[in-house]
Amino acid sequence: AQSVAQPEDQVNVAEGNPLTVKCTYSVSGNPYLFWYVQYPNRGLQFLLKYITGDNLVKGSYGFEAEFNKSQTSFHLKKPSALVSDSALYFCAVRDMRYNFNKFYFGSGTKLNVKP
Amino acid sequence: DTEVTQTPKHLVMGMTNKKSLKCEQHMGHRAMYWYKQKAKKPPELMFVYSYEKLSINESVPSRFSPECPNSSLLNLHLHALQPEDSALYLCASSQEGKNTEAFFGQGTRLTVV
Repeated sequence: AQSVAQPEDQVNVAEGNPLTVKCTYSVSGNPYLFWYVQYPNRGLQFLLKYITGDNLVKGSYGFEAEFNKSQTSFHLKKPSALVSDSALYFCAVRDMRYNFNKFYFGSGTKLNVKP
Repeated sequence: DTEVTQTPKHLVMGMTNKKSLKCEQHMGHRAMYWYKQKAKKPPELMFVYSYEKLSINESVPSRFSPECPNSSLLNLHLHALQPEDSALYLCASSQEGKNTEAFFGQGTRLTVV
């Protein structure tokens, strides 16, 4: 089965501090992993993806993610958080077994960045 | 153009009404998706079209009827909905291929009264 888990419903961080939003995955075969952000009453915006290659993936708005095969994790990171980063973040994985047009989303993590 | 455009942005409909949600993209993507999202929850996949053919139906009730008239357009026809169908309906598109990301529209906020 293909799945991702986001163990934290909410993450609180002060502006200027580094942030981490956690994601672990369970897949058959090589994982194709994605991070999306959603602002209130908006659609999901693509941040970055891991397909293959370097374990550190750089994405939009200063975000990056670290792929760790041994820990089956794909944590989202940013060196210095902004108040405007406050949003709902989703990790996702493609179904590589039955139909790769299917994405499996994590439950989401609400990021609160305080001034 | 990297946009997926959904109309309308908001829709209020009665349980006996028939309405349609529309989605359009001009990125040449051949996979298009409908998702339903409840507040503070992840999107739930409803339908996937691949090369204008329905490839995934996640056991969605027949009161939701998708249509893909051409490679740029995706519709969701609604009939006899229930109040619990109130949600944000998201359209997305992607290139075919396992290493591609999906692009999402802003969604239609549907309220069934």
